[in-house]
Amino acid sequence: GQNIDQPTEMTATEGAIVQINCTYQTSGFNGLFWYQQHAGEAPTFLSYNVLDGLEEKGRFSSFLSRSKGYSYLLLKELQMKDSASYLCAVRAFKAAGNKLTFGGGTRVLVKP
Amino acid sequence: DTAVSQTPKYLVTQMGNDKSIKCEQNLGHDTMYWYKQDSKKFLKIMFSYNNKELIINETVPNRFSPKSPDKAHLNLHINSLELGDSAVYFCASSQAQGGFTDTQYFGPGTRLTVL
Repeated sequence: GQNIDQPTEMTATEGAIVQINCTYQTSGFNGLFWYQQHAGEAPTFLSYNVLDGLEEKGRFSSFLSRSKGYSYLLLKELQMKDSASYLCAVRAFKAAGNKLTFGGGTRVLVKP
Repeated sequence: DTAVSQTPKYLVTQMGNDKSIKCEQNLGHDTMYWYKQDSKKFLKIMFSYNNKELIINETVPNRFSPKSPDKAHLNLHINSLELGDSAVYFCASSQAQGGFTDTQYFGPGTRLTVL
């Protein structure tokens, strides 16, 4: 099976930086995704890591260490619209095909 | 232009009824998925189809039956609805299996409430 852990909730101030950690245990690791989900809306894709290291995309960066089973999502220059849940999802190769398993999400509240 | 669409957006029904949710994607993707997101916000895979063929079937009661008439459509039929079926159901699609092309794009969700 797969275990994916991320904090339930984080609070940060507008303009600041927040780092959301995700740890996972899986066999057949085949990539890690981060999604953003605003309340009542669909998850939207933010980033993808399959090799170790940092992927930067504007204000958002994602890091992966496969040996440690660890990833983080870094949100810089926080804006009020960044208040949302952030879902870590691990893809594992199974005989039937790739399967994506989501963590419970981290709710980020950005305060003025 | 809607990429992944679902109907209906809201569905309120009585226990024991049978209902269907429809999903369509216009992205030209080969793979489609159904997920359930419960009140605790966990998003769990239910089914996955690749080119109309079922490839992932998680431990889901057989009251749930997916149907894919073509690779752009994946519908979900639920028989004998129970209170525990109340959740938000998301459809998703991806271009292919593996690599970056496996990035999944989600529909707006269908909020099902069983009374």
